[in-house]
Amino acid sequence: GESVGLHLPTLSVQEGDNSIINCAYSNSASDYFIWYKQESGKGPQFIIDIRSNMDKRQGQRVTVLLNKTVKHLSLQIAATQPGDSAVYFCADSTGGGNKLTFGTGTQLKVEL
Amino acid sequence: GAVVSQHPSWVICKSGTSVKIECRSLDFQATTMFWYRQFPKQSLMLMATSNEGSKATYEQGVEKDKFLINHASLTLSTLTVTSAHPEDSSFYICSARVASGNTIYFGEGSWLTVV
Repeated sequence: GESVGLHLPTLSVQEGDNSIINCAYSNSASDYFIWYKQESGKGPQFIIDIRSNMDKRQGQRVTVLLNKTVKHLSLQIAATQPGDSAVYFCADSTGGGNKLTFGTGTQLKVEL
Repeated sequence: GAVVSQHPSWVICKSGTSVKIECRSLDFQATTMFWYRQFPKQSLMLMATSNEGSKATYEQGVEKDKFLINHASLTLSTLTVTSAHPEDSSFYICSARVASGNTIYFGEGSWLTVV
């Protein structure tokens, strides 16, 4: 079946460093990918999305890279701040924004 | 930005009772809403997809008679946990897809504790 998974359950970075969170997906038909940030006790917060016709998309301090050849997705956070500490989920769907399948999540810890 | 509101944010109920959770899109119309369940330290598990004016589509393993979903309008979907048991205690999250596009926004979640 289709699944989205993350390589690292926990990522610790120093404040100011860049963070890279990785995600592997298995459904070759997936054409829409989203990264969400979830703080403790709260709902997921949209960070950035990318469609399968793109390889890279940049936002404010964040960049998402998509490698369809190896079914790999990454989220890069520049100059990581303490407020970035949270669990990050990737999710994918087919048909552009329909049912999302979530990965297991990566806990990002920013050390001062 | 788009806002999805859930109510209540947290609720405690007795075993055997039913509890209703509301999900509202405050500033946009949502033809499709999704209901998720999340256990601590785990990912979101999709329970059902709710389409306005039609029956919800439940994921495999989710009891539709236990988790009643109603999507009566373009801005409101409700999840009713019937005959709740302690194992139903969880964090329930809804999301809504903007009718005019593909972006999906999430609510802040509702904590349910069944005692």
